[in-house]
Amino acid sequence: NAGVTQTPKFQVLKTGQSMTLQCAQDMNHNSMYWYRQDPGMGLRLIYYSASEGTTDKGEVPNGYNVSRLNKREFSLRLESAAPSQTSVYFCASSEAGSRVGETQYFGPGTRLLVL
Amino acid sequence: KNQVEQSPQSLIILEGKNCTLQCNYTVSPFSNLRWYKQDTGRGPVSLTIMTFSENTKSNGRYTATLDADTKQSSLHITASQLSDSASYICVVSARGYNKLIFGAGTRLAVHP
Repeated sequence: NAGVTQTPKFQVLKTGQSMTLQCAQDMNHNSMYWYRQDPGMGLRLIYYSASEGTTDKGEVPNGYNVSRLNKREFSLRLESAAPSQTSVYFCASSEAGSRVGETQYFGPGTRLLVL
Repeated sequence: KNQVEQSPQSLIILEGKNCTLQCNYTVSPFSNLRWYKQDTGRGPVSLTIMTFSENTKSNGRYTATLDADTKQSSLHITASQLSDSASYICVVSARGYNKLIFGAGTRLAVHP
């Protein structure tokens, strides 16, 4: 039972390049989330998917797109990377998403540097 | 505005000593409060969760307290170990708002 997995672990991009961050969970959770973590700040929600087939914007969605490929997988795409998107990206999942404050399980993170 | 503030930003203690981390929040209406532990290079892992009616919750050497009147929480670590070196993040949920509000965390270093 791997929990939440993310690929890649590290990535360096040049400004303007695109890339997709992959996330998968094997806990049969309905809800999945993408966060970014910057120094001195709390995690901020980029996008989330309450259930398969639905996606919604979070606090900081600009410059990102997401795809809920199936119940297991939720990807985050940067179409044209900018230095401001240098961050650590975390994917998380939770069982239902409808219960306020239910436990979210986090992946190990992807460290992205945009030059 | 819903906010969570933690103090101190960082803390260094010697192995075997106790420490207390603080969390103040302005989230309303309050639903629950969690403490997460985040090891370097890893994702956060939930340590404790407390609802409005709970004022203490323990998980081994970790004890969290909640004062809903003053909107403050603390995480007390007893007899610290080197493996306690991590960031500790306070996370609050608001009723009717299905998202988490994260504090910036306290970075704890336990030295031998």
